[in-house]
Amino acid sequence: NAGVMQNPRHLVRRRGQEARLRCSPMKGHSHVYWYRQLPEEGLKFMVYLQKENIIDESGMPKERFSAEFPKEGPSILRIQQVVRGDSAAYFCASSQGTESSYEQYFGPGTRLTVT
Amino acid sequence: AQSVTQLGSHVSVSEGALVLLRCNYSSSVPPYLFWYVQYPNQGLQLLLKYTTGATLVKGINGFEAEFKKSETSFHLTKPSAHMSDAAEYFCAVSDRGTYKYIFGTGTRLKVLA
Repeated sequence: NAGVMQNPRHLVRRRGQEARLRCSPMKGHSHVYWYRQLPEEGLKFMVYLQKENIIDESGMPKERFSAEFPKEGPSILRIQQVVRGDSAAYFCASSQGTESSYEQYFGPGTRLTVT
Repeated sequence: AQSVTQLGSHVSVSEGALVLLRCNYSSSVPPYLFWYVQYPNQGLQLLLKYTTGATLVKGINGFEAEFKKSETSFHLTKPSAHMSDAAEYFCAVSDRGTYKYIFGTGTRLKVLA
């Protein structure tokens, strides 16, 4: 399966711990996007990255959240000192380019539960 | 700011009946439009998309959607529901030339035997 891979699929963290979510884009895709889906809501854009560059992080909370897409390896979304309000599904998508007609392919998501 | 409204968070239809899921967007400039389906514990799968050209778009699994500029709508239809269509459906838009998808809140489709 050459689709977008995310792991872990489910993650449980206690308040104050760190959460690391990983995303491997589809083969040939160099653009990665992270979205968050809060309960009963649609997906909300968080950040757009290319290899070694953050292009747009306008949807990221100002504190505790960071993202990277290194030259080698998967993209990482990192949440420090998690709080209950961070409980959500986090989806990664990838695309070939930034033209809107380059559809974004989504991974299965990581469901984060903060206890 | 662009927004997307999906009327009805839950829709139930009988097997074999017409499926109609509604989506309206707010932009005065026609955006690119998408419908995605999400099965339980899975990622989003693209059903169909409209960018330019023919306003009636056919997608996978027998779904189609019609872009109506005058109504700022992009409703999703399927003539005959199947049990396997039970899932959550998301409408999304993006302004032309941008990568940010704006999603609706989703419609959960239930198919009754």
